Amino acid sequence: AQKITQTQPGMFVQEKEAVTLDCTYDTSDPSYGLFWYKQPSSGEMIFLIYQGSYDQQNATEGRYSLNFQKARKSANLVISASQLGDSAMYFCAMRERYNTGNQFYFGTGTSLTVIP
Amino acid sequence: EPEVTQTPSHQVTQMGQEVILRCVPISNHLYFYWYRQILGQKVEFLVSFYNNEISEKSEIFDDQFSVERPDGSNFTLKIRSTKLEDSAMYFCASSVARGSGGGDSGRLSSYNEQFFGPGTRLTVL
Repeated sequence: AQKITQTQPGMFVQEKEAVTLDCTYDTSDPSYGLFWYKQPSSGEMIFLIYQGSYDQQNATEGRYSLNFQKARKSANLVISASQLGDSAMYFCAMRERYNTGNQFYFGTGTSLTVIP
Repeated sequence: EPEVTQTPSHQVTQMGQEVILRCVPISNHLYFYWYRQILGQKVEFLVSFYNNEISEKSEIFDDQFSVERPDGSNFTLKIRSTKLEDSAMYFCASSVARGSGGGDSGRLSSYNEQFFGPGTRLTVL
């Protein structure tokens, strides 16, 4: 089974609008972390936001927020007030505390295009 | 702000040749990783390294691959005899801790975040 599933290969959003990028995960580990990374066309991986499995509140970082629904095993990224510079690939990733140690599992990514 | 650096940014090689990809992790980090991303596909874990030895590796990391920390700053990935399917972006990453940083030993925290380098694009012809 896939550890991380991103079902939206491509998304479009109007500039200044909000957009939600979906991510579901699969783990039996009681302790895990969920990460979102942005990958612009230049190729580097830019850390955006983190959510721990024990965190009571949804993580927020500026215009990024994470809609964490533990029972549904989903960790959707919400980008508010989209900007042209947000156009990029977005990857959801997970690390488990006990099961597999230290490696990150990545999803297949969502390509976001912001339309002016 | 400290960052992970990788050289070269782009490497072109002939099939069967050896390549060495270089990374300089963030200086106070203890854990080092290599990932690869075949064009248009997801990022895949290759190997993690701690205390001068491999701590985990994936099925992709076969005998053709090796990692080394030759000095106090560099972390290298060697591919002994490259194949066409090794063409990919290779990312180095580093983290301060493994999985128990930030207080509660049962919890992960953003303290365990892995910082990625800009990547090396390897093209095997």
